[in-house]
Amino acid sequence: KAGVTQTPRYLIKTRGQQVTLSCSPISGHRSVSWYQQTPGQGLQFLFEYFSETQRNKGNFPGRFSGRQFSNSRSEMNVSTLELGDSALYLCASSFGQSNSPLHFGNGTRLTVT
Amino acid sequence: DAKTTQPNSMESNEEEPVHLPCNHSTISGTDYIHWYRQLPSQGPEYVIHGLTSNVNNRMASLAIAEDRKSSTLILHRATLRDAAVYYCILRDSLRSNSGYALNFGKGTSLLVTP
Repeated sequence: KAGVTQTPRYLIKTRGQQVTLSCSPISGHRSVSWYQQTPGQGLQFLFEYFSETQRNKGNFPGRFSGRQFSNSRSEMNVSTLELGDSALYLCASSFGQSNSPLHFGNGTRLTVT
Repeated sequence: DAKTTQPNSMESNEEEPVHLPCNHSTISGTDYIHWYRQLPSQGPEYVIHGLTSNVNNRMASLAIAEDRKSSTLILHRATLRDAAVYYCILRDSLRSNSGYALNFGKGTSLLVTP
């Protein structure tokens, strides 16, 4: 079956702009979580959505937001971009239990100039 | 939330076994231990998980200490394709919203030499 799909693959934005990233989970998965990966901080949890509701949120400012649609597809939005937001953004889908594996996409590489 | 500690890097020769350690001294009785790996230019890939007993699958084995304060991912015969960053994380089964995972940290970078 198809894996987790993230679009776009690469993105270049300017400081102050906003950006929307998309994630299509594996069919049947109701949980989508988002992560930011940078060389300095590693892989950090942003938030998780389950059945269109945000279940958990990491320690990121309110400029980072997301949503999930009825078909489980998810988007994350970053407003007022800063240079430090340059990172690889990964999403992962799962059935939503702690013993169900996370399936990751290959990420969106965001560069803020 | 319980945290994990892993060495920054390890090196192995091809076709030899590799033992990747992970310390989680503050683990709770309801935490599952998960391992993922990330190859260059790809998202992380699930490897294995366990709760109390040792686990085996086609990719690796997971050995969990009796007190559960540490675990070891075992690759029985390392290949060049196993060169990746390996992450050990904990996922709490009792949290009402337990589908997510906390920060993965920086993991262990495994170098495999021919």
